[in-house]
Amino acid sequence: EIVLTQSPATLSLSPGERATLSCRASQSISTYLAWYQQIPGQTPRLLIYDASKRATGIPARFSGSGSGTDFTLTISSLEPEDFAVYYCQQRSEWPPSWTFGQGTKVEIK
Amino acid sequence: QVQLVESGGDLVTPGGSLRLSCAASGFTFTDYYMSWIRQTPGKRLEWLAYISTSGNTIYYADSVKGRFTISRDNAKSSVFLQINSLSADDSAVYYCAKNVLRYFDSWGQGTLVTVSS
Repeated sequence: EIVLTQSPATLSLSPGERATLSCRASQSISTYLAWYQQIPGQTPRLLIYDASKRATGIPARFSGSGSGTDFTLTISSLEPEDFAVYYCQQRSEWPPSWTFGQGTKVEIK
Repeated sequence: QVQLVESGGDLVTPGGSLRLSCAASGFTFTDYYMSWIRQTPGKRLEWLAYISTSGNTIYYADSVKGRFTISRDNAKSSVFLQINSLSADDSAVYYCAKNVLRYFDSWGQGTLVTVSS
C-alpha cells in the first residue's frame, strides 16, 4: 500500500502570507495526486487533481506541483476562508485502492 | 448542482449492523462510479469501498473486506453500504463520494456511526 505523509502537521500563518504544504508518497505515483480542503464543520472539497490542475471554481491562489514522490500545495496569499485542514490523496493501480495523507492544519497565527 | 445525501447512521452496540444510504441528484448517476469514505474522530480519512456504474465491479479496503458490502440502485440513484460486525474502531462519519478519474469530486455531508455499549 502506498503511504502518503504530509508535513508539517500544523502551519501557523497570518492572512496574506504564503502557505506551502508538502505531501510525500512512499513510492512513485507519477502525477496522480489530489489535494482537498476541509473547513471545520464542512465536507472535504477537491482543490487540485493530477498534481497541478485546479478543480472547477477553485481560485488561482491555490496551486499544486510535483511528480513522483514529492508534491506541494501552495496558497499564494492566505484569505480568512483558507484556514482549514488540507489532505492529499492518491489511487493505487492494482488492486485499486485510494489513500489519504493524515492532513495539514493551516491555522491563524 | 450535485447533491449527495447520506442517511442511516446511528448509535449501535458492538457486533451490530447498519445499512447506510446515499441519495444522489444533480448529475447522471449511471455515468459515475461511487465510493464510501469514512472520517474517524481523529479526522483521518479512510476510503472503504468503490462500485462501478453497473455495479459489476467492486473493490474494498482490506480493513473492511468481508464485513462491508457496497451496492447501488441506479433506478433510485442511490448507493448503499451494509456494515456488519461493528466495533468501536468503526465509529466515524461516513461519506459517499462521486468518483471522477482517480479522485472524488463531490462528497455528501456524511452520516455519523457511533459504536458503543
